[in-house]
Amino acid sequence: DAGVTQSPTHLIKTRGQQVTLRCSPKSGHDTVSWYQQALGQGPQFIFQYYEEEERQRGNFPDRFSGHQFPNYSSELNVNALLLGDSALYLCASTRPGRGVYEQYFGPGTRLTVT
Amino acid sequence: QQQVKQSPQSLIVQKGGISIINCAYENTAFDYFPWYQQFPGKGPALLIAIRPDVSEKKEGRFTISFNKSAKQFSLHIMDSQPGDSATYFCAASIGNTGNQFYFGTGTSLTVIP
Repeated sequence: DAGVTQSPTHLIKTRGQQVTLRCSPKSGHDTVSWYQQALGQGPQFIFQYYEEEERQRGNFPDRFSGHQFPNYSSELNVNALLLGDSALYLCASTRPGRGVYEQYFGPGTRLTVT
Repeated sequence: QQQVKQSPQSLIVQKGGISIINCAYENTAFDYFPWYQQFPGKGPALLIAIRPDVSEKKEGRFTISFNKSAKQFSLHIMDSQPGDSATYFCAASIGNTGNQFYFGTGTSLTVIP
């Protein structure tokens, strides 16, 4: 049983560009959450998707947007990249009805903005 | 404002010793307190979690102690092993929705053989 998978593993972008990160949840999971983890810090909640809708959102600007597909996979889009967006972006999934309980995290995508 | 404060930032323990990591919170609405373990290059993995209606939960060598009145909770790793060397994060949430979910800043644990 594959766990949460994310692509790409690493990404280097230039300030002002746009980026799309992808996540496939663990089998049987329907809720996907995205987190930003700066170096040496704990993950910070960006938003959560359920039934293809953004259900909850953390304190992140509108430059951060997402999408969930009918197969529960998800994308995170970041527009107008800033140097401060450099971080590890984590995707987490949970079983139906479990919200953030028992989240399973993917290995993350390391984004570097130059 | 850090919703969950974690200490120490780093910890070095001899093999077989007890590792203790502490967290404190302010928001009394938090009702779920998990601990995550993260190895380099990997995402965090849920280790153990507790609800505020119990004061202690044990799973193998890992124990959470919870003090509701002091608004503190801690992770105890008994008989620490070199394979336990990782970064540990405490977290807290209100219900099972996402936006009220906060991580601590992490503790880097090194277990010396």
